[in-house]
Parts: sequence; C-alpha cells; structure tokens
Amino acid sequence: GENVEQHPSTLSVQEGDSAVIKCTYSDSASNYFPWYKQELGKRPQLIIDIRSNVGEKKDQRIAVTLNKTAKHFSLHITETQPEDSAVYFCAAITGGGNKLTFGTGTQLKVEL
Amino acid sequence: DAGVIQSPRHEVTEMGQEVTLRCKPISGHDYLFWYRQTMMRGLELLIYFNNNVPIDDSGMPEDRFSAKMPNASFSTLKIQPSEPRDSAVYFCASIPSLAGGHNEQFFGPGTRLTVL
Repeated sequence: GENVEQHPSTLSVQEGDSAVIKCTYSDSASNYFPWYKQELGKRPQLIIDIRSNVGEKKDQRIAVTLNKTAKHFSLHITETQPEDSAVYFCAAITGGGNKLTFGTGTQLKVEL
Repeated sequence: DAGVIQSPRHEVTEMGQEVTLRCKPISGHDYLFWYRQTMMRGLELLIYFNNNVPIDDSGMPEDRFSAKMPNASFSTLKIQPSEPRDSAVYFCASIPSLAGGHNEQFFGPGTRLTVL
C-alpha cells in the first residue's frame, strides 16, 4: 500500500517569511496529491491539489510542486500571515482508487 | 448545501458501552469515508463506501468496529464495546463520482469521542 512521509512535524516562521513542507510517497502509481489545512478543533479542508501530469501549481500565496521521479511533493506558502497557523497534511491517492493516505501533519506557527 | 453532517459532535461514554456515530454525506456524493484522528496515529482511513457498498474496510481496527450505509444519505460507525483507546475524533467525508476526475474529499465537522 501507499506510505506518505511528511517533514517537518513542526515549523515556526516569522510573519512575511516563506514556509515549505515536504512529503514523499512510495507508490509510483499515485496520481493525485492534495494538501489539507486543519485549524485547531476544526475539520481538514483542501487548500490546493496537484495531479501527476503537472509539475507545479499556484494559487495566490500557496504553491505545490511535484517531482514524480523522486516521488516527492512540496507545499510552499509565501508571505506567511498569522492566519496561516494550522496543521497541514499532505496526502496521496493511488491511480484508479479513492483511498487517500495522509502524511502525519506539520504544525505551522506564524509568529508576529 | 449544508455540507457533510455528523452527529453527535461530542460523545462521552464509559468503557464497555456501545457508541454509534452518524454521518449524512453531501447530497449527490456517492463515496463516503470514515476516518479516525489521534495525536499518535494522525488521520487514518477506517472504511469507505461507494453507492452504499463497503469497498475497503482494511482500516477498521478490530471486530468491535462496524460501519453501515443503509442508504445514500446516511451512514453509521458503531463501536461495541468501547474502550479508552478508542478516544479520538472521528471524521466522515464524501466525494462525488469520479467521472469528472474530481477527488476532493469534503469533511464533516467530526465527532469527538471520549471513552472513560
């Protein structure tokens, strides 16, 4: 089955700085890689996703890159703001399937 | 649409009691997922359904856990008997048909279960 590893587990940045979270996956058949943001006490919500036929995707201050050869993908948040503070989860889904395997999460803290 | 609805939002019970968690997926979504979230193990998929049929229950931890989906708008996750280690937040999520290649899972608000 799929195995997703996520690093770092905690990340503290100053407001305005960039934050990068990295994930690796094991199943070369995986073809969909979403990122979820979970604020304290709330549900995970999709913030961006990328498919295996694309190398990079941007949405305002967030971007995701995918390296299929190395089987890793990353989330980049620029110009971080206090409201970006949350736990971020990467995930991978195997081709043809619907089963998401989540990483262990990264607690991002944006300090004033 | 109200989104995925879960009840109860909080449940406190004593060890050995039966616990039933409920979920109503988004109308028109034909996939439903049950997840468990703990600090130690993160987000784990327990089981998922497609058109009310269980497709993969390999994540169900033990025979004490069971899930049903009697119709397209309702699913239950039952734990009998409950144990303290079952304490977690249980999320339900749904997605529409993959015909459009859309995989985003919409999560419910979760049920926080505490077993004393």
